[in-house]
Amino acid sequence: DTAVSQTPKYLVTQMGNDKSIKCEQNLGHDTMYWYKQDSKKFLKIMFSYNNKELIINETVPNRFSPKSPDKAHLNLHINSLELGDSAVYFCASSQNGGPYEQYFGPGTRLTVT
Amino acid sequence: QKEVEQDPGPLSVPEGAIVSLNCTYSNSAFQYFMWYRQYSRKGPELLMYTYSSGNKEDGRFTAQVDKSSKYISLFIRDSQPSDSATYLCAMTTGNQFYFGTGTSLTVIP
Repeated sequence: DTAVSQTPKYLVTQMGNDKSIKCEQNLGHDTMYWYKQDSKKFLKIMFSYNNKELIINETVPNRFSPKSPDKAHLNLHINSLELGDSAVYFCASSQNGGPYEQYFGPGTRLTVT
Repeated sequence: QKEVEQDPGPLSVPEGAIVSLNCTYSNSAFQYFMWYRQYSRKGPELLMYTYSSGNKEDGRFTAQVDKSSKYISLFIRDSQPSDSATYLCAMTTGNQFYFGTGTSLTVIP
């Protein structure tokens, strides 16, 4: 069973479109994260949710909106996609009190043309 | 100045060598120090984490943290071809997270 799963794995879309990426974890963790990894492998945190509540909201364009319907799911919706949004987006989760022990999903490779 | 600095490599070593990977940082508030391994087109996988200064060993891997120098290291003993990957250091204050850019390692059989 996959601990942290993401869909889709690949996403190719045109500029200006709106798209969503979904994440689910079956580890029973309370905290979930979204990260962006650019072409130079730099991994940067975007958002963090604890038990459906937003706790970290780094400086990202407000075209990016996370949504957590329950503590096992964290989705990322992106409006008006731009070329610079092309990257790999990773979801991760951790147990409460253990931000240092994060489990990552396989990533969603987003290409904006 | 970046919060976390890591030499991107690439680093190429023969099988069986001892590998040393390093990161420096600027924020003295960091409390937890992590090392992740990332294979090509996969998500990062946690190898080990350390709280504050000191050493931690897990099999062939040893993590060291020197908070006075703001310097952390990961040593891999008896390196194997399966260790070929990108190694990312990461640090957190608890609610701030920063990753290094990763060091690409190739272990040659």
